[in-house]
Amino acid sequence: NAGVTQTPKFQVLKTGQSMTLQCAQDMNHEYMSWYRQDPGMGLRLIHYSVGAGITDQGEVPNGYNVSRSTTEDFPLRLLSAAPSQTSVYFCASSYSQGGDGQPQHFGDGTRLSIL
Amino acid sequence: AQTVTQSQPEMSVQEAETVTLSCTYDTSESNYYLFWYKQPPSRQMILVIRQEAYKQQNATENRFSVNFQKAAKSFSLKISDSQLGDTAMYFCAFMKPLYNFNKFYFGSGTKLNVKP
Repeated sequence: NAGVTQTPKFQVLKTGQSMTLQCAQDMNHEYMSWYRQDPGMGLRLIHYSVGAGITDQGEVPNGYNVSRSTTEDFPLRLLSAAPSQTSVYFCASSYSQGGDGQPQHFGDGTRLSIL
Repeated sequence: AQTVTQSQPEMSVQEAETVTLSCTYDTSESNYYLFWYKQPPSRQMILVIRQEAYKQQNATENRFSVNFQKAAKSFSLKISDSQLGDTAMYFCAFMKPLYNFNKFYFGSGTKLNVKP
């Protein structure tokens, strides 16, 4: 059971380049989320999805796009990379049924540097 | 909006001793959940312990226990018999169940260093 798989683990981009961070989970979780982790700021929610075809913005969505065509996959796209997007990105998934306090399961993160 | 505050950016403890990490949160909700996650140098986010706000009994998971004070909005983590493998960043998280999503809010983390 692989859990939540993120690729790549490391990436260096130049300003203005675009790229897609991949996230896949094999636990049949409805909920999936993308966070960014910056020093001294914990994890901040970028976008989330409550099921295939349904996405919504978190607290820091600007500069990022998401889509959810399948239950398993939730890619995060950087449209035009900026140095401010240098961060560690985490994908997470959880079982649905709001109100039952299910924890999130995290991938191993992607360290992204924008030059 | 919910906020989660971890006021100790960094702490140290000797191996085999006990350490307590503090966490406070601000909310007007009555139904919520609280979590502690551990992030070792490998960068994985590992669930340590979970607490339901409607339960008065403090959660315990082996050497890890919490002191949940709902009125004070406090949720501290106690690590007993600290081990070198406990060295990690620890994040406190508040989870608010919405009708269609469980929204998480994270604190800024406490870096714990267990010394031999």
